[in-house]
Amino acid sequence: GQQLNQSPQSMFIQEGEDVSMNCTSSSIFNTWLWYKQDPGEGPVLLIALYKAGELTSNGRLTAQFGITRKDSFLNISASIPSDVGIYFCAGQFAAGNKLTFGGGTRVLVKP
Amino acid sequence: GAVVSQHPSWVICKSGTSVKIECRSLDFQATTMFWYRQFPKQSLMLMATSNEGSKATYEQGVEKDKFLINHASLTLSTLTVTSAHPEDSSFYICSARRPEGRAYEQYFGPGTRLTVT
Repeated sequence: GQQLNQSPQSMFIQEGEDVSMNCTSSSIFNTWLWYKQDPGEGPVLLIALYKAGELTSNGRLTAQFGITRKDSFLNISASIPSDVGIYFCAGQFAAGNKLTFGGGTRVLVKP
Repeated sequence: GAVVSQHPSWVICKSGTSVKIECRSLDFQATTMFWYRQFPKQSLMLMATSNEGSKATYEQGVEKDKFLINHASLTLSTLTVTSAHPEDSSFYICSARRPEGRAYEQYFGPGTRLTVT
């Protein structure tokens, strides 16, 4: 099946720091999505991208749809404690089709 | 809007019994619902796509006779885990798609944690 490689697998943040994570695919996607999942809950959509090269922001979050349509990144600026959680990228090939999820990036707070 | 609920939120059952999980779209009609399974510290893996009024489409490796899916109405899909075993213990999450929304728009439920003893 399709594989989405998401990195890093985990990271520690300190309040105020910027955070970056990315996803790469061996295949082209028509839509890239970024979700956040808190423990014991379902994923919540953060940003949706549906055009190659598109750069979209949602508050402190910025995501880009790679030109090759095989990658995407998510940046979180000036992180705050509530940014802790698991972030997933997901790709979709065509309208209504299923989503393929990346392995997730676990964001933790530096002790 | 676009709220999806799941019931129960957690369930413990004995090995060999069956468990039914409900997924409801509360404020919209969902022609398509998706069922995912998530093991600890892993990603979401799609199990099946459920279309209202028709048979579900299962992903490769998912036993359709073990994971029964019924999408009887535009607001309700159910997943029944039959003859559950400890290895079926997982976090089951559904999502629902609005037909009038963007193609990618899937709204996720809060998940159901199943523990089989």
